[in-house]
Amino acid sequence: DGGITQSPKYLFRKEGQNVTLSCEQNLNHDAMYWYRQDPGQGLRLIYYSQIVNDFQKGDIAEGYSVSREKKESFPLTVTSAQKNPTAFYLCASSILGGGTEAFFGQGTRLTVV
Amino acid sequence: GDSVTQMEGPVTLSEEAFLTINCTYTATGYPSLFWYVQYPGEGLQLLLKATKADDKGSNKGFEATYRKETTSFHLEKGSVQVSDSAVYFCALRDRNRDDKIIFGKGTRLHILP
Repeated sequence: DGGITQSPKYLFRKEGQNVTLSCEQNLNHDAMYWYRQDPGQGLRLIYYSQIVNDFQKGDIAEGYSVSREKKESFPLTVTSAQKNPTAFYLCASSILGGGTEAFFGQGTRLTVV
Repeated sequence: GDSVTQMEGPVTLSEEAFLTINCTYTATGYPSLFWYVQYPGEGLQLLLKATKADDKGSNKGFEATYRKETTSFHLEKGSVQVSDSAVYFCALRDRNRDDKIIFGKGTRLHILP
């Protein structure tokens, strides 16, 4: 079945450690996105990519990094520079342009312990 | 820049009541408009969409009409069920700009049996 897979579903990190969240899609979509969701804040865009080896910062990119080495993969690294990383992270993908909808993964809940 | 504003929740209704969740947008181009639904601990699922003015999106008894004159895309359902309890997000995507997808802050809906 086609779709987007995020892993792991739950992730615990010690303060000061970097952690990488996985996002894979087999929908042949060019565009991929990372969002952060906090209670009462809605979805805030971290990074997005429209083509392999290229990506743009979203509204809250500080403390995060991404790569887009393959069309189907868009991993997000939460670095130790992110002051408040505990949140629910959502990955999405879509056809490029045309005003089409995005498809979402099931999310990763990251908790800093 | 582009933005989406939706009514704050939580919204609490009795089963079989009529539902309206207001959504207005600001965009300089020609956006497509979407409603997504999120169940606890999951990612977002597309509920319905409209790509141009006066289009009506519908799915599972939910409807929303793209009103360019009032820049609105209000979500309605004639008779809600307990299973409709979730968080609802209004979103836009402007194909003539940088192709980002902009979300509202979400409205939590509780349906009482």
